[in-house]
Amino acid sequence: QQQVKQSPQSLIVQKGGISIINCAYENTAFDYFPWYQQFPGKGPALLIAIRPDVSEKKEGRFTISFNKSAKQFSLHIMDSQPGDSATYFCAASGDTGFQKLVFGTGTRLLVSP
Amino acid sequence: EAQVTQNPRYLITVTGKKLTVTCSQNMNHEYMSWYRQDPGLGLRQIYYSMNVEVTDKGDVPEGYKVSRKEKRNFPLILESPSPNQTSLYFCASTPDRGQWGTEAFFGQGTRLTVV
Repeated sequence: QQQVKQSPQSLIVQKGGISIINCAYENTAFDYFPWYQQFPGKGPALLIAIRPDVSEKKEGRFTISFNKSAKQFSLHIMDSQPGDSATYFCAASGDTGFQKLVFGTGTRLLVSP
Repeated sequence: EAQVTQNPRYLITVTGKKLTVTCSQNMNHEYMSWYRQDPGLGLRQIYYSMNVEVTDKGDVPEGYKVSRKEKRNFPLILESPSPNQTSLYFCASTPDRGQWGTEAFFGQGTRLTVV
């Protein structure tokens, strides 16, 4: 059973547009929600993370929006660039920390020039 | 340079032939994990280790073994590989039990094909 559901599976956005990836979770014990970015041939790397006591976190062009009551969180990439083309994974973990980090199924983003 | 190193990067093997994928980290991290990545399924945890000689099953441990005899190394062992273990494998490490804000560092991946 997928504990973190991610959509869409793939996304094509024009350069300069906004990319939006959504995730939903079931386990209310989750208290850490990171996003990982993976380029072809590379391992995932931490992009940005949020805690459930805030509704939004912004780092440059990347923003996480968090809705605790709906158990949903999303990644927004503003002014999307071809260099943002990658696979994005949302994830979640609870008080057991990293060893129980649960990943979504991934979204392959292609930003067209 | 801080890194997690996996070897080999690519491996083609035959059903039933034992193999080991090595993982080494130079950051003195306590926690290490193995994941497999499959299309449409994301990253699924196979095994993790909280310290030397301390390991536990993840979500998909069947058909895999691990050992943690040294802090820096966490090899993944497939004693009798089968085609359904064809996948992309990642090793990851983190400096502590993963309190909020702790980053997981991933290796470059090992693409395994079992024929």
